[in-house]
Amino acid sequence: QVQLQESGPGLVKPSQTLSLTCTVSGASVSSDDYYWSWIRQPPGKGLEWIGYIYYSGSTSTNPSLKSRLTLSVDTFKNQFSLMLTSVTAADTAVYYCARLGRQHGYSFDYWGQGTLVTVSS
Amino acid sequence: DIQMTQSPSSLSASVGDRVSITCRASQSISSYLNWYQLKPGKAPKLLIYAASNLQSGVPSRFSGSGSGTDFTLTISSLQPEDFATYYCQQSYSTPLYTFGQGTKLEIK
Repeated sequence: QVQLQESGPGLVKPSQTLSLTCTVSGASVSSDDYYWSWIRQPPGKGLEWIGYIYYSGSTSTNPSLKSRLTLSVDTFKNQFSLMLTSVTAADTAVYYCARLGRQHGYSFDYWGQGTLVTVSS
Repeated sequence: DIQMTQSPSSLSASVGDRVSITCRASQSISSYLNWYQLKPGKAPKLLIYAASNLQSGVPSRFSGSGSGTDFTLTISSLQPEDFATYYCQQSYSTPLYTFGQGTKLEIK
């Protein structure tokens, strides 16, 4: 059974860096069939795709976040991570990690439960 | 960017009702349309992929239809566990995946 679990601080100060990790079980981040993704949902708003990383380390990111975003993958720990720099209150959101598969129409077939990150001093 | 517009934004219905949610794309996306169910505190769930394909393990009361710019998610007979928020997502314009604004399905 595939499971994803986000972890990281729930509170980040403005201008600092938001760091999250997603731990995957029941699947391998080294699989060439999937892209490992981040999606967020600000309070009261809709879902926004942040970006994904492939096992090789290649990435694709939302242009609106590109200059502040770093994605990484650790195949040994079966984890992938997100770093978002220079955060503001607009980055307050529930952050989800998810698996994106090619074979099912590029859909996000497994998600974590999400973690709320609040940007506040 | 491809914009996705869902309607209605909220919907009240009763257990046993048949309900439909519509998603419209700002340009043709062929059948590259997926549907998700979100509940507070739970992992979001993929319901339908590629417009009309039921994800494994999803009850058959859920169905999807459409192609091009207009798509529909239908729940044939609402169950108590179906009250949630539903989102469509286009995967035509990869990798800039975009979602609809969501439809909140509430108990009448």
